[in-house]
Amino acid sequence: DTGVSQDPRHKITKRGQNVTFRCDPISEHNRLYWYRQTLGQGPEFLTYFQNEAQLEKSRLLSDRFSAERPKGSFSTLEIQRTEQGDSAMYLCASSLRGTSNGELFFGEGSRLTVL
Amino acid sequence: AQKITQTQPGMFVQEKEAVTLDCTYDTSDPSYGLFWYKQPSSGEMIFLIYQGSYDQQNATEGRYSLNFQKARKSANLVISASQLGDSAMYFCAMREPGGSQGNLIFGKGTKLSVKP
Repeated sequence: DTGVSQDPRHKITKRGQNVTFRCDPISEHNRLYWYRQTLGQGPEFLTYFQNEAQLEKSRLLSDRFSAERPKGSFSTLEIQRTEQGDSAMYLCASSLRGTSNGELFFGEGSRLTVL
Repeated sequence: AQKITQTQPGMFVQEKEAVTLDCTYDTSDPSYGLFWYKQPSSGEMIFLIYQGSYDQQNATEGRYSLNFQKARKSANLVISASQLGDSAMYFCAMREPGGSQGNLIFGKGTKLSVKP
């Protein structure tokens, strides 16, 4: 049973560089979510997809952030011109529409450090 | 205003004892869902238990139970017979129907440490 996988697990970059994270959801899941978690906080919602359609974006998702899910399978989250405030854990989750509680299955996250 | 409040930044419990992690929530919608997740040091969020606002019974999953008090807007997690592997961060979360399906609002978490 393959869970949600994220790559890379850790990324260190210099301010101003672009970074991209990839998420592979559980194969039969049609919904995919991105969350951001900073130190001492719970995860905060960024955006979510149903199949390939991006249905909702949080105000946290500034213009420097873009997420795609081109074929309704894996997703990428790109951050352009990174800032030190972008340092966080980026969590991906997936779920299957129509399940009774809409439980989200999370990956292990991609930790970003911006120097 | 915070929608999910977890007032205990850290908790200690002796192995094999029970522990209660507190969670209060704020919503005006009659229909909502409440979740508890565990986050070990590896970072993955692990689903533990779910309670729907219309569920008549308190949810239970193995050693986990949810003490749901709707009038008080509280959804405390009870872990019975604590094990060393229960040491982790625990997050309470709520999904409101007005939000997107799966857009969970998380609390700040409680760090549980189980002592041998």
